Amino acid sequence: DADVTQTPRNRITKTGKRIMLECSQTKGHDRMYWYRQDPGLGLRLIYYSFDVKDINKGEISDGYSVSRQAQAKFSLSLESAIPNQTALYFCATSESADHEQFFGPGTRLTVL
Amino acid sequence: EDKVVQSPLSLVVHEGDTVTLNCSYEVTNFRSLLWYKQEKKAPTFLFMLTSSGIEKKSGRLSSILDKKELFSILNITATQTGDSAIYLCAESGKAAGNKLTFGGGTRVLVKP
Repeated sequence: DADVTQTPRNRITKTGKRIMLECSQTKGHDRMYWYRQDPGLGLRLIYYSFDVKDINKGEISDGYSVSRQAQAKFSLSLESAIPNQTALYFCATSESADHEQFFGPGTRLTVL
Repeated sequence: EDKVVQSPLSLVVHEGDTVTLNCSYEVTNFRSLLWYKQEKKAPTFLFMLTSSGIEKKSGRLSSILDKKELFSILNITATQTGDSAIYLCAESGKAAGNKLTFGGGTRVLVKP
């Protein structure tokens, strides 16, 4: 069984639509992250959370919001999707600052 | 602002060749340097380096960190077609937890 799961795996939507990407983990980690990946740009951090009550903006948070519903669940929302949000989105978790991050399988989002 | 630069952007080699990937970084308050391998979707963790001059090794892969010159190298010896992937370097600063700053990646293609 996968430790970090993301739903949906693929999504095509239209400009202006509200989209939610979900992430669940069974690793028992407090720290969770959302990244987006664009070709040649590596992964860029959107939001991160160190526990249910602790949410922080990353380097590219504009146009996104998040919700940490429980230790195991961290959702990313695009309130009004635009084409330049077309990308591969990854959720990640880690045990602590001194441990590696584990990534989910990714969600490929296309905004038309 | 933390920055990570990887080189080369891509390379093509034949099975059995040795590959050397470079990662240079600028970080305000360094914690660790990580290497990931990305094949189809999710990046998978390879190494975490925190001390300078220490070589981490796993099978045909090895990595070393130079904290004075601010770079790291990932070596792959006796390459196989299964080594074909994007290799990502990331640094973790102490400024805010262990959020990772990624380089743009190096795409490696190993031909039979």
